[in-house]
Amino acid sequence: VQLVESGGGLVQPGGSLRLSCAASGFTFRTYWMNWVRQAPGKELEWVANIKQDGSESYYVDSVKGRFTISRDNAQNSLFLQMTSLRAEDTAVYYCARAKYSSGWGDFDDWGQGTLVTVSS
Amino acid sequence: DIQMTQSPSSLSASVGDRVTITCQASQGITNYLNWYQQKPGKAPKLLIYDASNLETGVPSRFRGGGSGTDFTFTISSLQPEDIATYYCQQYDDVPFTFGPGTKVDIK
Repeated sequence: VQLVESGGGLVQPGGSLRLSCAASGFTFRTYWMNWVRQAPGKELEWVANIKQDGSESYYVDSVKGRFTISRDNAQNSLFLQMTSLRAEDTAVYYCARAKYSSGWGDFDDWGQGTLVTVSS
Repeated sequence: DIQMTQSPSSLSASVGDRVTITCQASQGITNYLNWYQQKPGKAPKLLIYDASNLETGVPSRFRGGGSGTDFTFTISSLQPEDIATYYCQQYDDVPFTFGPGTKVDIK
């Protein structure tokens, strides 16, 4: 299993960024996928998840209406479109897979993370 | 949202000591509770899932227990490579939530 995030960087407050996660080594289309973030020196925070076929997704309240999770099962890729970015969105963003194809909330594989910095 | 608390926030123990961390949920979560280990600059690693199941490849000195609202995580004999921050996480309902973490050091 390999999860490789990309797309992080420096963005101004109010700006947008799209994160990607390239998945390999497993049948991507059969797993719930998640984004989890960690602000510098802070605890982990679950951000969003998406069902296998993309028909359901859920978000933490602090990003609702600003972030959109999506997936492309043909390309084995997960995305996080982030808009109206705020300083408090500064964090390392991890892509994480649910442990079982029948499960959704236990994350047994993680990417290396991509850093998003929101600053003027 | 389900709030998760952990104690202690940090601890220092000697090699070979037994270390116990507690995690409490603000409402019952049955056994939908995981424990992760995170070392500096690294992604978290799943150690215990469903409150008490040891993830494949994880040493047997790590143990989890509890159900409902109160959970424990134990390292039976602390090793130098166990220096890390440990997080509990509930997945009874979204938003999934993590505890604030417990930083474990060697004395």
